[in-house]
Amino acid sequence: GAGVSQSPSNKVTEKGKDVELRCDPISGHTALYWYRQSLGQGLEFLIYFQGNSAPDKSGLPSDRFSAERTGGSVSTLTIQRTQQEDSAVYLCASSLAVQQTTDTQYFGPGTRLTVL
Amino acid sequence: AQSVTQLGSHVSVSEGALVLLRCNYSSSVPPYLFWYVQYPNQGLQLLLKYTSAATLVKGINGFEAEFKKSETSFHLTKPSAHMSDAAEYFCAVSVPTGGGNKLTFGTGTQLKVEL
Repeated sequence: GAGVSQSPSNKVTEKGKDVELRCDPISGHTALYWYRQSLGQGLEFLIYFQGNSAPDKSGLPSDRFSAERTGGSVSTLTIQRTQQEDSAVYLCASSLAVQQTTDTQYFGPGTRLTVL
Repeated sequence: AQSVTQLGSHVSVSEGALVLLRCNYSSSVPPYLFWYVQYPNQGLQLLLKYTSAATLVKGINGFEAEFKKSETSFHLTKPSAHMSDAAEYFCAVSVPTGGGNKLTFGTGTQLKVEL
């Protein structure tokens, strides 16, 4: 079946612009996660959705970052007034949320964001 | 706080040789541990996970890992490396959060396989 998809695959933007990154989870997966992968920080958790709610936003690095999920499916990560340190690969993952601690997360291919 | 440490950011082996990628965890509660692989320009793919059902866990592509509580380790092994195993490998620990489980990753180990 279809996996997690993300768009765009690459995004180049100028400092100060806003960007939106999209994630389409696997159908039926109620849990959705955003992670960021950068050279300096490695792989880090950003935000977790259960349905349309976000019980854990603790990884969002600043108030320039926000995310929403609609219809229990597609999620959008928005970065306002982008900075060069926002350059990274943004990964989305989804899971069935059956067994809390051992659920397998399925990752999308990521969106590579470059801020000039 | 739960965390994992991967020793060796780069590992190089010859084709056919044993692959050993190290991961040590720190956790005050029984940990749930994962190994993921990332091929160039791709997302992460699950290799295997420890769920406390068995200490020796077998995964895809011939990989396996053994959970050793006494050593706080969950090292990944493969008896015979193949060129296609060249990739970056991440160890992760599951941290429960609001009904889900966010993953805390190690810094990754880049595996190079040489002829």
